[in-house]
Amino acid sequence: KNQVEQSPQSLIILEGKNCTLQCNYTVSPFSNLRWYKQDTGRGPVSLTIMTFSENTKSNGRYTATLDADTKQSSLHITASQLSDSASYICVVSDRGSTLGRLYFGRGTQLTVWP
Amino acid sequence: EADIYQTPRYLVIGTGKKITLECSQTMGHDKMYWYQQDPGMELHLIHYSYGVNSTEKGDLSSESTVSRIRTEHFPLTLESARPSHTSQYLCASSEEDRGSDTQYFGPGTRLTVL
Repeated sequence: KNQVEQSPQSLIILEGKNCTLQCNYTVSPFSNLRWYKQDTGRGPVSLTIMTFSENTKSNGRYTATLDADTKQSSLHITASQLSDSASYICVVSDRGSTLGRLYFGRGTQLTVWP
Repeated sequence: EADIYQTPRYLVIGTGKKITLECSQTMGHDKMYWYQQDPGMELHLIHYSYGVNSTEKGDLSSESTVSRIRTEHFPLTLESARPSHTSQYLCASSEEDRGSDTQYFGPGTRLTVL
């Protein structure tokens, strides 16, 4: 069964600290993996996208890694800010075509305290 | 910031009412989607469209219907709302781009049926 599991479910950190969010998937065949940020009451916004051949991708203070062999990804946030408080969703696509479908994780709810 | 809009942002209605959730995008994307999301849960695809006059049901069974008469417009209709329809509804669109089908989400409509 194709699934995307994220951990932890929720996380609280102090402003300025780093954190790492995890994503494990069983989706096959694999096309690409995205991390989205969803602020409360808003739609998700894409942070990074990685294909099978990419093992790291950065977007400012966000760095995503991918291990396609172990089917694991992580999102590392450096020097956290209050505005980083949001849900971070891991999304895996099973093929890069119009026939592809997306598998969504439940997200990690990150809260950054001052 | 994606140019995709949803109205209303919040809606509270009584059981049995007919409602239409509006979604429009100005990016010229052919593909559009409707997702349903409950708090702390993953997004579930309920409808999608590959272009004008194309509509398909998604993975999650839904009593709603959609139409795609214009490229930029993808409204969702519930003929008779029930409390079980209470949820957040997210609209998204994407380009016809194999391998990097990033979806751009609207802000969502929070629906409450009393």
